[in-house]
Amino acid sequence: GAVVSQHPSRVICKSGTSVKIECRSLDFQATTMFWYRQFPKQSLMLMATSNEGSKATYEQGVEKDKFLINHASLTLSTLTVTSAHPEDSSFYICSAARERAFANTEAFFGQGTRLTVV
Amino acid sequence: SQQGEEDPQALSIQEGENATMNCSYKTSINNLQWYRQNSGRGLVHLILIRSNEREKHSGRLRVTLDTSKKSSSLLITASRAADTASYFCATVVYGGSQGNLIFGKGTKLSVKP
Repeated sequence: GAVVSQHPSRVICKSGTSVKIECRSLDFQATTMFWYRQFPKQSLMLMATSNEGSKATYEQGVEKDKFLINHASLTLSTLTVTSAHPEDSSFYICSAARERAFANTEAFFGQGTRLTVV
Repeated sequence: SQQGEEDPQALSIQEGENATMNCSYKTSINNLQWYRQNSGRGLVHLILIRSNEREKHSGRLRVTLDTSKKSSSLLITASRAADTASYFCATVVYGGSQGNLIFGKGTKLSVKP
């Protein structure tokens, strides 16, 4: 299957600082990338969808100014958690898709990033 | 929002036994996908079943889909300790030309050696 690389895998930051998480599709061009958040023992909650070269589409309840998403190329999307607070501590996972509609293909996931805000 | 609901939430079996997980969803779908997640890791795609398919096999995995009941099941036969993981079903929800994968709550499977 295709490879999606997510970095860093773990990050600890101080409250009030910003953290950037990178998601790269290594062997295919991802027209669409997705960012999910997962709390312990819970499912993945879709935060936003980003398409290369356009603004991200955020799910209801997700703060656009807090979770900045940039999808500058077909192989790289970044999520920046700005002014992080302890309640932002979570597991963040990106995924990439070859096509927008998922009609015939699956999503490929990064390894996830464990963010701890102290 | 969540689309799918898996049951059971947790399942503990002995190695060699079969494991069955069920998933129900709410809206019409194009396809339904099953993913596996090892603790603290990303998700790995297992199998995709289209809305016009009723059953699909891949190795020790068997997936069924009943669109009239809006439900799917994942059967893992002859389970191994390495199958221990959380399993999620996901359906595609469309907004315009964009599809989003919406995940269920997952079943945590524990296979004891």
